[in-house]
Amino acid sequence: ETGVTQTPRHLVMGMTNKKSLKCEQHLGHNAMYWYKQSAKKPLELMFVYSLEERVENNSVPSRFSPECPNSSHLFLHLHTLQPEDSALYLCASSQDRWGAETQYFGPGTRLLVL
Amino acid sequence: SQQGEEDPQALSIQEGENATMNCSYKTSINNLQWYRQNSGRGLVHLILIRSNEREKHSGRLRVTLDTSKKSSSLLITASRAADTASYFCATEGLNNNDMRFGAGTRLTVKP
Repeated sequence: ETGVTQTPRHLVMGMTNKKSLKCEQHLGHNAMYWYKQSAKKPLELMFVYSLEERVENNSVPSRFSPECPNSSHLFLHLHTLQPEDSALYLCASSQDRWGAETQYFGPGTRLLVL
Repeated sequence: SQQGEEDPQALSIQEGENATMNCSYKTSINNLQWYRQNSGRGLVHLILIRSNEREKHSGRLRVTLDTSKKSSSLLITASRAADTASYFCATEGLNNNDMRFGAGTRLTVKP
């Protein structure tokens, strides 16, 4: 247990569906991250939040919409996804948004888009 | 690209042998971290090495950093079947506060 939880663990959705991924951290951290992990590709940083403000958006398509209502919770809202969006979505947190900080990862949500 | 690139992509060894994985990167860094990921799970931090350090140890793990060659290695000694996982390096560039990960090395340790 890393102190970061993600729900659901598995999700199958059609291209016209709307769903949300949830991440919660119990570590008192100030920074939270969404990553996308596809097979045999580097982990892709999607969004970074620091003190509940979005500080980085790495050119992610608008069909992915993050939300950080407080420092403990992070959501990723999904709508009109494509099959190539199928991947493992990982949430992470760190004490602050600095590269020397250890990131604590959740177990991920395995997403399949049909 | 700042992100690290691990080598080899896959490594298979017998229990008790040592496993060495390498990471190369393109631009100068502040620090480099190694993470481990069991299949389909989140990443777990193993060790951090700063740019002014050359070697660090943690249990059966030994990490080296050669900033002149822009490379790092992770050595796991006396491997165990439970070490089977993917191993990733992540780098923090000089002008970037965020880490960039490579695609990982898939290590299989056969009992």
